[in-house]
Amino acid sequence: EAGVVQSPRYKIIEKKQPVAFWCNPISGHNTLYWYLQNLGQGPELLIRYENEEAVDDSQLPKDRFSAERLKGVDSTLKIQPAELGDSAVYLCASSLAGASTGELFFGEGSRLTVL
Amino acid sequence: QKEVEQDPGPLSVPEGAIVSLNCTYSNSAFQYFMWYRQYSRKGPELLMYTYSSGNKEDGRFTAQVDKSSKYISLFIRDSQPSDSATYLCAMRQGGSYIPTFGRGTSLIVHP
Repeated sequence: EAGVVQSPRYKIIEKKQPVAFWCNPISGHNTLYWYLQNLGQGPELLIRYENEEAVDDSQLPKDRFSAERLKGVDSTLKIQPAELGDSAVYLCASSLAGASTGELFFGEGSRLTVL
Repeated sequence: QKEVEQDPGPLSVPEGAIVSLNCTYSNSAFQYFMWYRQYSRKGPELLMYTYSSGNKEDGRFTAQVDKSSKYISLFIRDSQPSDSATYLCAMRQGGSYIPTFGRGTSLIVHP
């Protein structure tokens, strides 16, 4: 079974440019998460989706970040315009609603460098 | 002060050593405790999951939770170079599926 797929794996852009990340969750997982992981830090939640609905987006900087999950499957996370401080790894994860452990399955991440 | 505190290390041990990794937390509402392992340039993967206080063993790994002290531990016996990774503790409240992660401890097991 395929895991969570993210693209691109690496992206280098100049500040003020836009960037978008794409995530394809595990088939059948209705919950999708976007996390931000800075170097030497643990993942921090940006937004969580239940199917198409964003149910927790309080940590998403809405002035420059946006996300969507059309049809409740794939999701995109966009930053416009990017700032130097946005350099980090953006992790996508998915989980199965009702699973006893609530295990999150992570993708390999999209590593962003803003110059 | 963060809700979950974890020493970033690095922790360097020889192959075969017993490793002890720890986290403390401040939120008494946390009921579910997890350890994720993250290899370099990979996403985290769930290693151990425990509910409430007590011990749980899985092969060379033992997870321990002491809710009275707000302290959790992960022990690795007979450590191997392949165990070299960052270990993230995570915990969540009952009724929530959003874990709060520690910053991770970098473990290096050298041959």
